[in-house]
Amino acid sequence: LAKTTQPISMDSYEGQEVNITCSHNNIATNDYITWYQQFPSQGPRFIIQGYKTKVTNEVASLFIPADRKSSTLSLPRVSLSDTAVYYCLVGVPSDYKLSFGAGTTVTVRA
Amino acid sequence: GAVVSQHPSRVICKSGTSVKIECRSLDFQATTMFWYRQFPKKSLMLMATSNEGSKATYEQGVEKDKFLINHASLTLSTLTVTSAHPEDSSFYICSARSPFRRESYNEQFFGPGTRLTVL
Repeated sequence: LAKTTQPISMDSYEGQEVNITCSHNNIATNDYITWYQQFPSQGPRFIIQGYKTKVTNEVASLFIPADRKSSTLSLPRVSLSDTAVYYCLVGVPSDYKLSFGAGTTVTVRA
Repeated sequence: GAVVSQHPSRVICKSGTSVKIECRSLDFQATTMFWYRQFPKKSLMLMATSNEGSKATYEQGVEKDKFLINHASLTLSTLTVTSAHPEDSSFYICSARSPFRRESYNEQFFGPGTRLTVL
């Protein structure tokens, strides 16, 4: 499994866009990039997954450059309820064991 | 989306007793479920993979005789912490792989977790 590196924490304010960058220099050809969100005392929740370029859903966007050595999760116009830990995972979809790193604690303030 | 539940949500027990935690997939069948443990302000650590009708696969360093896993049906996996001690106090979370499987996806649905406190 490719190792990932994320910032430990990020602070933001309501209404701002939050961008979390994850480094995965050793990503393999068949690896996908997946992001999960975890609120305190809850299980994680799948946010988005991508392989290259850009993926967007109703919650977030995922930007992946051509070399795929990093990826950026973009949360548009955050609210207080977006305060959570965000995990970046890299792996082959068929290998469905998930390996969670330290994650990024995002704190949104009023 | 698919829903995974856990019971109980919180349990407090005395040292030396055994505790059983249930993980259920409510609206789909899950041939494979996963058990994680999370200590305060730490990340999730995969403990074992639970396979319906067969033995669980434990991660390195996880004592299989300490953490008994049973996956007796397609909607239920149980984790029993035997002879619990204070160091077993943690947040235990289960997950099941998405039934909406596509080749390019590896989505898992997680339960709400069980907070175990061993006195």
